[in-house]
Amino acid sequence: DQQVKQNSPSLSVQEGRISILNCDYTNSMFDYFLWYKKYPAEGPTFLISISSIKDKNEDGRFTVFLNKSAKHLSLHIVPSQPGDSAVYFCAARLGPNFGNEKLTFGTGTRLTIIP
Amino acid sequence: ETGVTQSPTHLIKTRGQQVTLRCSSQSGHNTVSWYQQALGQGPQFIFQYYREEENGRGNFPPRFSGLQFPNYSSELNVNALELDDSALYLCASSLVRGFRETQYFGPGTRLLVL
Repeated sequence: DQQVKQNSPSLSVQEGRISILNCDYTNSMFDYFLWYKKYPAEGPTFLISISSIKDKNEDGRFTVFLNKSAKHLSLHIVPSQPGDSAVYFCAARLGPNFGNEKLTFGTGTRLTIIP
Repeated sequence: ETGVTQSPTHLIKTRGQQVTLRCSSQSGHNTVSWYQQALGQGPQFIFQYYREEENGRGNFPPRFSGLQFPNYSSELNVNALELDDSALYLCASSLVRGFRETQYFGPGTRLLVL
């Protein structure tokens, strides 16, 4: 039962263009969403997060959009740079009443930036 | 650099053996979680420890167990290893117990079971 889905296993984008990574979820009790970036031989690195009370959060070149009614979020990277080439994971967390901070991850999207 | 370290980086075991993986969290991080990442998959939650007590568990059998110590280090123990236990094992720590706290991951231990 995959509660967080990233349907695009890979994405290639020209340097300088916008990269858009998508994520869908099925559990309406998810209350907080995060994006992590992972390079080979390293652990996931936190990028940006968004609470369910917001529909947008921005941090430099990274913006995350949340559409609660569609149970969909997306990560926009603009402009894309070669160093952005990595695997990107979407993760979700239940609200505070559930007692722990378990993250549920998608399967990841491999982003390749073409110089 | 997240300040979370794991050892060893790589490990090879045979089926039926036992393994202990270690994690050292950032100072003051009193919550640690362990995840298993199989090839081509996202990390799967194993369990979480808060102030040295288990605080939530994923769909993993009891042969997966853990410990958290007062010095912010923790262990993941796996008994009776199976071939499907081959994966990258990640630990993640966070500063306080709060649902909006960011979890910071270590580099992982890659376990191969033959």
